[in-house]
Amino acid sequence: DGGITQSPKYLFRKEGQNVTLSCEQNLNHDAMYWYRQDPGQGLRLIYYSQIVNDFQKGDIAEGYSVSREKKESFPLTVTSAQKNPTAFYLCASWGGGQPQHFGDGTRLSIL
Amino acid sequence: KQEVTQIPAALSVPEGENLVLNCSFTDSAIYNLQWFRQDPGKGLTSLLLIQSSQREQTSGRLNASLDKSSGRSTLYIAASQPGDSATYLCAVHSGGGADGLTFGKGTHLIIQP
Repeated sequence: DGGITQSPKYLFRKEGQNVTLSCEQNLNHDAMYWYRQDPGQGLRLIYYSQIVNDFQKGDIAEGYSVSREKKESFPLTVTSAQKNPTAFYLCASWGGGQPQHFGDGTRLSIL
Repeated sequence: KQEVTQIPAALSVPEGENLVLNCSFTDSAIYNLQWFRQDPGKGLTSLLLIQSSQREQTSGRLNASLDKSSGRSTLYIAASQPGDSATYLCAVHSGGGADGLTFGKGTHLIIQP
């Protein structure tokens, strides 16, 4: 079945460490997105990419970085500059004229 | 900047009742509006997508309406069941469409058996 795969499901970060969250889609969608969700809050946009080798900052990009070297992959790195990284991270893709599809998320915690 | 508000924040009703969840947005220049369901610790499941030119969409017991000029959408759930218990999120797709969604904070729904 077509869909979005996020890994790992749970991730722990030590202080000063960078960690990378994986997002892979086999829907052949051009656009991909990263959102952050905090308890009791709606999702907020971190970064998005409309095409390979191009991406734009969302509302809360500070402390995060992304790459889009392949159409099907959009990894998110949470850097040590992100002082409050504990959250639920969701990846999505969009093929135009359709609903956005979401992965099952990665829960990031601090050790 | 687009802002999305959902009312109520939480709702608890007995099984079998019909109910309405409300969503409002500040900028009427939208591409589409989506309603999602989120179960605890899970990702989002798309329920209904309404394009900006449409007034409503229906799927089974769910009906979503859109009034773009007043910046409002409602999600109507008929004959509620305990399995409908979840958080329901409203999200607006603005601009040219490939930008990200703007989400409300959600309505946490509990259906009592």
